[in-house]
Amino acid sequence: EAGVAQSPRYKIIEKRQSVAFWCNPISGHATLYWYQQILGQGPKLLIQFQNNGVVDDSQLPKDRFSAERLKGVDSTLKIQPAKLEDSAVYLCASSSYRGRGTEAFFGQGTRLTVV
Amino acid sequence: ELKVEQNPLFLSMQEGKNYTIYCNYSTTSDRLYWYRQDPGKSLESLFVLLSNGAVKQEGRLMASLDTKARLSTLHITAAVHDLSATYFCAVDFVAAGNKLTFGGGTRVLVKP
Repeated sequence: EAGVAQSPRYKIIEKRQSVAFWCNPISGHATLYWYQQILGQGPKLLIQFQNNGVVDDSQLPKDRFSAERLKGVDSTLKIQPAKLEDSAVYLCASSSYRGRGTEAFFGQGTRLTVV
Repeated sequence: ELKVEQNPLFLSMQEGKNYTIYCNYSTTSDRLYWYRQDPGKSLESLFVLLSNGAVKQEGRLMASLDTKARLSTLHITAAVHDLSATYFCAVDFVAAGNKLTFGGGTRVLVKP
């Protein structure tokens, strides 16, 4: 079974520029998550999709971050404009969601450096 | 507030000795996960604990869950160098609904 695919693996941009990340979840997984992991910290949930609908985006900085999941499969996360504090690894995860306790599987992540 | 705290933050281990990582959480949950992360890599699932008193073991690692104490432990038996990594616990809080709140991680370094 193929895992969660993310691209690019690395990205370096200047502050105020825009950037987009892509995620392809495990086939058949209805739930997709984007997490932000700052160096030395645990991942923090940014947004959760169930199929193509948003379940939770309470921690997404909506003035600069946006995300979409077209057709309930692939997802993109965009930052515009980027700030220095956005430097982090952005992890995508997916799960099949059969109730609480369903395991989530993580992609390799995209490491963003804002200079 | 939904909080997950791990301690210690850093653990320097000697090969062959036993150690424990603790994960405390702030409110009701009976779903707890342990993940391992190697430097520059993603999160690898280790254990899924789904009920009070759950205990799971894989090799030198054993995880347990006490929902009354809101505590999970990850016990390492006879540490070996290959276990060097950062370990995260994550909680699926009843109030939050099928999404994970992570602890800050415990960085483990096993020295010969």
